[in-house]
Amino acid sequence: QVQLVESGGGLVKPGGSLRLSCAASGFTFSDYYMSWIRQAPGKGLEWVSYISSSGSTIYYADSVKGRFTISRDNAKNSLYLQMNSLRAEDTAVYYCARPIVGATSWFDPWGQGTLVTVSS
Amino acid sequence: EIVLTQSPATLSLSPGERATLSCRASQSVSSYLAWYQQKPGQAPRLLIYDASNRATGIPARFSGSGSGTDFTLTISSLEPEDFAVYYCQQRSNWPLITFGQGTRLEIK
Repeated sequence: QVQLVESGGGLVKPGGSLRLSCAASGFTFSDYYMSWIRQAPGKGLEWVSYISSSGSTIYYADSVKGRFTISRDNAKNSLYLQMNSLRAEDTAVYYCARPIVGATSWFDPWGQGTLVTVSS
Repeated sequence: EIVLTQSPATLSLSPGERATLSCRASQSVSSYLAWYQQKPGQAPRLLIYDASNRATGIPARFSGSGSGTDFTLTISSLEPEDFAVYYCQQRSNWPLITFGQGTRLEIK
């Protein structure tokens, strides 16, 4: 079945870096745009970044632009998020998400999420 | 940025009752609106997309309606597993998608 599994979260100090990974299985990864979406503790959902199926087109939310880098390795069926210059407000569960067939922005499925905590 | 405002913030109902959740956009999003359900400790699950299309595997008791700026998610007869937080999401100005702040549906 279609599955997304995130990893790489943890505790990091302000100004630090972290790299998240998302392993995809059960579908042809290279056919899909992929996204990262985050959720601060007890808060709502915030879209973070998109990457096109080939990796040639990338978008970021203003809140992370210049600090985060999304990438993918289609040979490894993997999505990544390199997070630099982390701030307390980046503390959240980070989900990778795939759009439904024929769309770019209706997300299903989502991974189980990985928690990033930015604190000194 | 298109702001989505959901109401009410919390809705208290009993199993078997009908639930009506609202999502209002700060400008027209046409029919580019989706609804998600999130249970504690779980990732969101897509329920409705393009305002009124049920996602794969979603029971018929869930329905969506609306266009432009005003949208509604209706659950015709609440089951115990429906008590959760519900979010709306727009993609009208893709890639700058946004989510509403959520409506918590709790057992009365």
